[in-house]
Amino acid sequence: QKEVEQNSGPLSVPEGAIASLNCTYSDRGSQSFFWYRQYSGKSPELIMSIYSNGDKEDGRFTAQLNKASQYVSLLIRDSQPSDSATYLCAVTSNTGKLIFGQGTTLQVKP
Amino acid sequence: EADIYQTPRYLVIGTGKKITLECSQTMGHDKMYWYQQDPGMELHLIHYSYGVNSTEKGDLSSESTVSRIRTEHFPLTLESARPSHTSQYLCASEQGIGIQYFGAGTRLSVL
Repeated sequence: QKEVEQNSGPLSVPEGAIASLNCTYSDRGSQSFFWYRQYSGKSPELIMSIYSNGDKEDGRFTAQLNKASQYVSLLIRDSQPSDSATYLCAVTSNTGKLIFGQGTTLQVKP
Repeated sequence: EADIYQTPRYLVIGTGKKITLECSQTMGHDKMYWYQQDPGMELHLIHYSYGVNSTEKGDLSSESTVSRIRTEHFPLTLESARPSHTSQYLCASEQGIGIQYFGAGTRLSVL
């Protein structure tokens, strides 16, 4: 079992729809959770961080965390073609190291 | 905007050559990382450093080596490049815990 698991996709949604990206992790001691976005041919960039159970909103993005279920998600409202990218879930291990999932590719179709 | 720089951006070399990929950051971060990523594939951690004179191997076995003599500089060296080393190499530095800033990467092609 991988430490951080994501469905590789591609996830395809129409423009204007809500995109839902999911991630599960295995280390119950994990304390910090992140979503990075990576455009094709570019480097990853941080878009969201979440540290406590519940929802955290930033513009069109909402991160959701459920530590009991070891589950993190990212919702993108009003998806735009410019949101088409690979989204990497990342979780800190109990040693403080950041563990990345394999990423989910999102395609937003005009 | 992140102040982390990688050179060269692209490198094509022949088998057996020694190469050094440069990575520098001006943010004063203690933690730095090297990742290897093939197109469309996941990130693999190959080396990391938590400060000057501290280096560790990552999860993916790599024939490369790193050094950390200065906080801002974390170069990666391949003593004898092989075609299997063809990949993209990404350097990152970390602020606090988990907030990583990535350089633009070096695309290496070994013929």
